[in-house]
Amino acid sequence: KQEVTQIPAALSVPEGENLVLNCSFTDSAIYNLQWFRQDPGKGLTSLLLIQSSQREQTSGRLNASLDKSSGRSTLYIAASQPGDSATYLCAPYCMNYGGSQGNLIFGKGTKLSVKP
Amino acid sequence: SAVISQKPSRDICQRGTSLTIQCQVDSQVTMMFWYRQQPGQSLTLIATANQGSEATYESGFVIDKFPISRPNLTFSTLTVSNMSPEDSSIYLCSVEAGGWNTGELFFGEGSRLTVL
Repeated sequence: KQEVTQIPAALSVPEGENLVLNCSFTDSAIYNLQWFRQDPGKGLTSLLLIQSSQREQTSGRLNASLDKSSGRSTLYIAASQPGDSATYLCAPYCMNYGGSQGNLIFGKGTKLSVKP
Repeated sequence: SAVISQKPSRDICQRGTSLTIQCQVDSQVTMMFWYRQQPGQSLTLIATANQGSEATYESGFVIDKFPISRPNLTFSTLTVSNMSPEDSSIYLCSVEAGGWNTGELFFGEGSRLTVL
């Protein structure tokens, strides 16, 4: 059974800091991995998608890496801003689970607070 | 990408009643997914809905409790039947729309349901 763990569960940093969010998963048989952002009481915003054959993806101040063999992904946020405050979710797309052809398995997220 | 609209955005319901959540996508998609996010928890897949076929439910979810319709390639509904306070959650609609075979998922804003 795929299990996804995100560390830390919560993080508070001053504005301007660079930070790293960690995600680990137990089954390396994944199709891809997505990072999402969720604001309180809201839906999910897709941030980055890394295919299983890729090592990293970048979008603006965000960089996500994937080491499928070790079951790890990291999300790097450069020069953090108060607007980055949200919960960040990691979700590998697993081909071997669920009644459908695949299933996103979500971690519980890292709640980030960036102080002005 | 895809723009996904959900209705209602939130509702307060009485125990024993049923509520239907609507999901509208701005483009035709093959697969639509329904997720549940219970308070303080991460997302769990309820079912996958393909147009023209019965929805596929994940372990722990049954059609009698969560009937789903998928009448065309841009629309789906999820009904939460005979509600109890344990059904209080955010229900999210999702589609795969990131380009051919990328597996990238996009989410609606969610429907926050409170059952009294």
